This record gives sequence, structure tokens and C-alpha cells, in this order.
Amino acid sequence: QKEVEQNSGPLSVPEGAIASLNCTYSDRGSQSFFWYRQYSGKSPELIMFIYSNGDKEDGRFTAQLNKASQYVSLLIRDSQPSDSATYLCAVLNTGGFKTIFGAGTRLFVKA
Amino acid sequence: ETGVTQTPRHLVMGMTNKKSLKCEQHLGHNAMYWYKQSAKKPLELMFVYSLEERVENNSVPSRFSPECPNSSHLFLHLHTLQPEDSALYLCASSQDPQDTQYFGPGTRLTVL
Repeated sequence: QKEVEQNSGPLSVPEGAIASLNCTYSDRGSQSFFWYRQYSGKSPELIMFIYSNGDKEDGRFTAQLNKASQYVSLLIRDSQPSDSATYLCAVLNTGGFKTIFGAGTRLFVKA
Repeated sequence: ETGVTQTPRHLVMGMTNKKSLKCEQHLGHNAMYWYKQSAKKPLELMFVYSLEERVENNSVPSRFSPECPNSSHLFLHLHTLQPEDSALYLCASSQDPQDTQYFGPGTRLTVL
């Protein structure tokens, strides 16, 4: 089992729709969870982080965490073509020094 | 992007060459990282330094040798690399190892 698992996509949504990106992780003791966005040819940049169960909203982005199910998701409302990128889920391991990244989900927003 | 800089941006080297990648962060962070990103594979953590001490070494071959002379600078010394080492090498920094990481632009390495 991969430590952090994401559907590679591509996930295609029309402009204005909600994009839902999912991630599962294997380390039950993980406490910190991050979503990064990576445009083609660029380095990753942080979208959101979440530490507690439940939802966290920031503008058009909502992160959801369910530690019992070892599941974290990212919702993008009112998707724009500029949101087209690869979204990386990252989980800080129990020891607190090692961040494990998923392989990423490619999102394509059609104008 | 200017918070974490990396040089060179592109590097082509032969298997017998020795080269070094340099990373500098201007954010006052205490932790720095090296990652390898290959096509269609997850970001692979290579090394973590916290307060200039190596705290994580992710089973990286000895042909990769990190150096952290101070909290602002991180090097990756390369020698006798293999073609499969060709990848994008990303440096990152964070306030501490549990915090959000900020990435540099990366060095695109090609080993011939």
C-alpha cells in the first residue's frame, strides 16, 4: 500500500463547477496535512493545510479531513481554467520530520 | 519564488563528473530539504536538515552527499551519477520540520 494515495486523473471539470480531489494515507498517527498545487514546469506551492478533523475553508478552496477514515480532500468551488494544474497531497509522518507526497492528481478545467 | 533560490537551473553531466547543486533561502527558516521529482512519480524526500543538523536521510545512495553549512544554505554534491538519476531536484525550506514548506524553482538534471 502506498503511503499517500491519490487518483492520478486527469480530472476534467467545466468552468464554474466544483472540483473534488481526494487523498488517503496509511500512517494513522499523522497529524498535519497539506495540499500543494504544481503548474507544469513549476515548483509546488501551498494551497492549504489542515490539522483538525472537519472542514477548513479559504476562499474558493475547502479542505476536509477525516482521521478515522484516513482521508483528506480538497474542494475547489467555481473552478477556473487557471486552476488547471497537478494537485499534490502531502502528509507529515508520525515522527514529525518526514513529509510524504502523493503522486498528484491532474486537474483540467474546461473553459 | 524568490524566497528560495536554486542554482544552476539546468545541469547536464556525464557519469564520471562531480558537480554541486546550491540552494539558498531568504525566509529566515530553520529547516531545509532536498527532494527528487521524476516523471510520473511522487516527490521523493531525500534529506531534511533542521538547525543545520541532518534529521532525516531517506535511504539515498551515497553518490548524493548533502551539506548544510548554515541555516540559509544547502548543497547537494553529486558524483558518479547514473542516467536514472536524471530528474528535477527541488529544494524547500520551512520554519520548522512540521511547518509549511516553500519550494525553490528546482534544478533540472540530466545525466548522460
